[in-house]
Amino acid sequence: EVQLVESGGGLVQPGRSLRLSCAASGFTFDDYAMHWVRQAPGKGLEWVSGISWNSGSIGYADSVKGRFTISRDNAKNSLYLQMNSLRAEDTALYYCAKDLSGYPTTLFDYWGQGTLVTVSS
Amino acid sequence: EIVLTQSPGTLSLSPGERATLSCRASQSVSSSYLAWYQQKPGQAPRLLIYGASSRATGIPDRFSGSGSGTDFTLTISRLEPEDFAVYYCQQYGSSPPRNTFGQGTKLEIK
Repeated sequence: EVQLVESGGGLVQPGRSLRLSCAASGFTFDDYAMHWVRQAPGKGLEWVSGISWNSGSIGYADSVKGRFTISRDNAKNSLYLQMNSLRAEDTALYYCAKDLSGYPTTLFDYWGQGTLVTVSS
Repeated sequence: EIVLTQSPGTLSLSPGERATLSCRASQSVSSSYLAWYQQKPGQAPRLLIYGASSRATGIPDRFSGSGSGTDFTLTISRLEPEDFAVYYCQQYGSSPPRNTFGQGTKLEIK
């Protein structure tokens, strides 16, 4: 059974940093691209960032480019999102999502339950 | 960047009825790289349809997708109580990756 378990969310002041983690199990992690998708309270879905199976292809939404960094550790079956210079508008539930492909097509066949990030003073 | 517009914003129907949800793209979606997701309150989204018309693993056959180019439709043939949720369409497959979700259609019980 595919499982994606996010962690690392919490309350953080504007301008500070936070690192999210996603622990994956139930599939061959290093065969697939992985992504972060967020959902602000009461709002729709927004793709944040994606990374290919070998970290050779990485993409970011314009809204986070230059502030967020995605990475993965295939030996640990884990995905990460380093979030710097956080803003109030980054407040959201952050989902880890598995791609159908090894390259970031942004087609997500499995999702975690999310970790909540709240940016507020 | 492709913009996806879903209609209606809210659809009120009764169990057993047929639901038709629309997703219109601002420009043609290549190779029908169009997906539909269902999201229930407090839950993560679930992939229903990809490639405009292919059902994902485990999705009941009352869900069907159709369309090409700029106009796509998700049809639920006979609504079950568990089908009332928010539905999102999404264009995928861009290189580099881009975010393109529609704003969602809320399917509520009448």
